[in-house]
Amino acid sequence: NAGVIQTPRHKVTGKGQEATLWCEPISGHSAVFWYRQTIVQGLEFLTYFRNQAPIDDSGMPKERFSAQMPNQSHSTLKIQSTQPQDSAVYLCASSLLGGPYEQYFGPGTRLTVL
Amino acid sequence: AQSVTQPDARVTVSEGASLQLRCKYSSSVTPYLFWYVQYPRQGLQLLLKYYSGDPVVQGVNGFEAEFSKSNSSFHLRKASVHWSDSAVYFCAVSPYGGSGNKLIFGTGTLLSVKP
Repeated sequence: NAGVIQTPRHKVTGKGQEATLWCEPISGHSAVFWYRQTIVQGLEFLTYFRNQAPIDDSGMPKERFSAQMPNQSHSTLKIQSTQPQDSAVYLCASSLLGGPYEQYFGPGTRLTVL
Repeated sequence: AQSVTQPDARVTVSEGASLQLRCKYSSSVTPYLFWYVQYPRQGLQLLLKYYSGDPVVQGVNGFEAEFSKSNSSFHLRKASVHWSDSAVYFCAVSPYGGSGNKLIFGTGTLLSVKP
């Protein structure tokens, strides 16, 4: 089992450019989560998919951020017109459904906006 | 709203000494509780979890945690730390219980183990 895969591991963008982050959950896991980690804000929940359907996006910034899960094997987090304050480590996690199952985290994508 | 407090931003202990990392939560119902560890440039790894039953739960690498409903706490302990335990430790709650729910994290405690 390869665990949760996130690509790229590092991404550098210029201010105003678009960034797309990819996540491949563990095979068989039907819940996928995105979190953001910064020194100042710590670990923040962004959004959650269950069986590919968006369930809770209460943590997503209202502008410029969007997430999709077009199939069970990957999810994307897209940030349009990136700003320096978007610089963070973006973590993806997945879990099974139907019981008290823990979330398994990927290594994260470190986004740096210059 | 649910929240998690880790009052100690940094803890330094000597190798072989015992350890306690503190975690307090705020929730109207007993949440599911977790401790995760993060090594440099890596994602989060689960140490242990509490859902119900015995308030003392065992985790990996000799870690254990004790749930206290009366104190709203879930402190992490280890009898004898090793230098490789140096990392950031996060306490987290799943406020609604069950799988498929977001985690709310504390601010983390940086553990430094002196040789």
